[in-house]
Amino acid sequence: RKEVEQDPGPFNVPEGATVAFNCTYSNSASQSFFWYRQDCRKEPKLLMSVYSSGNEDGRFTAQLNRASQYISLLIRDSKLSDSATYLCVVSLHSGGYQKVTFGTGTKLQVIP
Amino acid sequence: EAGVTQFPSHSVIEKGQTVTLRCDPISGHDNLYWYRRVMGKEIKFLLHFVKESKQDESGMPNNRFLAERTGGTYSTLKVQPAELEDSGVYFCASSQDRVRDRAYEQYFGPGTRLTVT
Repeated sequence: RKEVEQDPGPFNVPEGATVAFNCTYSNSASQSFFWYRQDCRKEPKLLMSVYSSGNEDGRFTAQLNRASQYISLLIRDSKLSDSATYLCVVSLHSGGYQKVTFGTGTKLQVIP
Repeated sequence: EAGVTQFPSHSVIEKGQTVTLRCDPISGHDNLYWYRRVMGKEIKFLLHFVKESKQDESGMPNNRFLAERTGGTYSTLKVQPAELEDSGVYFCASSQDRVRDRAYEQYFGPGTRLTVT
């Protein structure tokens, strides 16, 4: 079983739709969680950190469920510019040590 | 604020040659990370520097890879001798000191695309 699992997609959704991605992680000791966005042939860019209480940033909402060990990302009112691969990232840290594990990413294509 | 920069953006070398990749982190970021993405696979951790010290190099694939961060500023990753399976995109990322807010949010450079022929 992979440490961080994501549905690779692609998710093809019309403009204006709401789309949700899930990500599961295997290490229950994981402490920090992130969603990154990666455009084709570009570097990952931090989209959101995911906090225990859940957090929202405009059209984007992230949730964390520690009991079930999954993280979700909800995108409302999808825009064409949201088309990208969304990477789930899980981090375990202790002292100065940080182990970061990436999912393979979920590809989103927003269509007009 | 300038972001993470990497040089070169692309490198094509022959098997057996040596290549050195460079990363300049965001100014003031003590933490520097190297990652690699092989085509079709997820991004994999290589190693982590805190200032000039290697905190974790458990992801380094073998002893053909050598990373340094002299003076705790920029870092280099040398591959010697390069093999075909070393081809991929090498990303560098940096983050702030761990005791500050958002200490674990990493900011990535544009990557170096390495092709070994």
